[in-house]
Amino acid sequence: KAGVTQTPRYLIKTRGQQVTLSCSPISGHRSVSWYQQTPGQGLQFLFEYFSETQRNKGNFPGRFSGRQFSNSRSEMNVSTLELGDSALYLCASSPGVLGYEQYFGPGTRLTVT
Amino acid sequence: ELKVEQNPLFLSMQEGKNYTIYCNYSTTSDRLYWYRQDPGKSLESLFVLLSNGAVKQEGRLMASLDTKARLSTLHITAAVHDLSATYFCAVDVDRDDKIIFGKGTRLHILP
Repeated sequence: KAGVTQTPRYLIKTRGQQVTLSCSPISGHRSVSWYQQTPGQGLQFLFEYFSETQRNKGNFPGRFSGRQFSNSRSEMNVSTLELGDSALYLCASSPGVLGYEQYFGPGTRLTVT
Repeated sequence: ELKVEQNPLFLSMQEGKNYTIYCNYSTTSDRLYWYRQDPGKSLESLFVLLSNGAVKQEGRLMASLDTKARLSTLHITAAVHDLSATYFCAVDVDRDDKIIFGKGTRLHILP
């Protein structure tokens, strides 16, 4: 079974630009969650999607948004990038919500200059 | 404020020794997760603990959950160098469904 894939793996953007990251879950998994990892703040939950609906969202500004498609693939978008958005963005998929094991992708390393 | 506190944050130990990593949390939850992260890599799921008293073991690692004490432990038995990594616990907050991570415990096992 193929694992979770994320594209691109590395990205360099400048302040003010926007970026879209993509996540393809394991086949059959309907839940996709996104996390941000930085040295200062650690791992922080961004949002979770299940069956194309956002179930919950972490404490991030509205510049961070996402969506999920009917094939469970998910994208997250960050608009008006700030230096502090530089991070490793991880997505994880699971068969369902609440208590299922999550399988993480390799991450997208975003650098904002 | 919701908090998930791990201790210690850094642990250097000799091969063959036993040790325990603690994860305390400040909110009501009966869903707790342990993950491993190797340097420059993504997270690997280790354990999913879903009820009070849950205990799971895999190789030299054993995790337990006490929801009344709001405490989970990750016990390492007879550590080997390959277990060197950063270990995170994460709590799924009741009624909120948001996951909060601890800061991680960086484990360094000396050969």
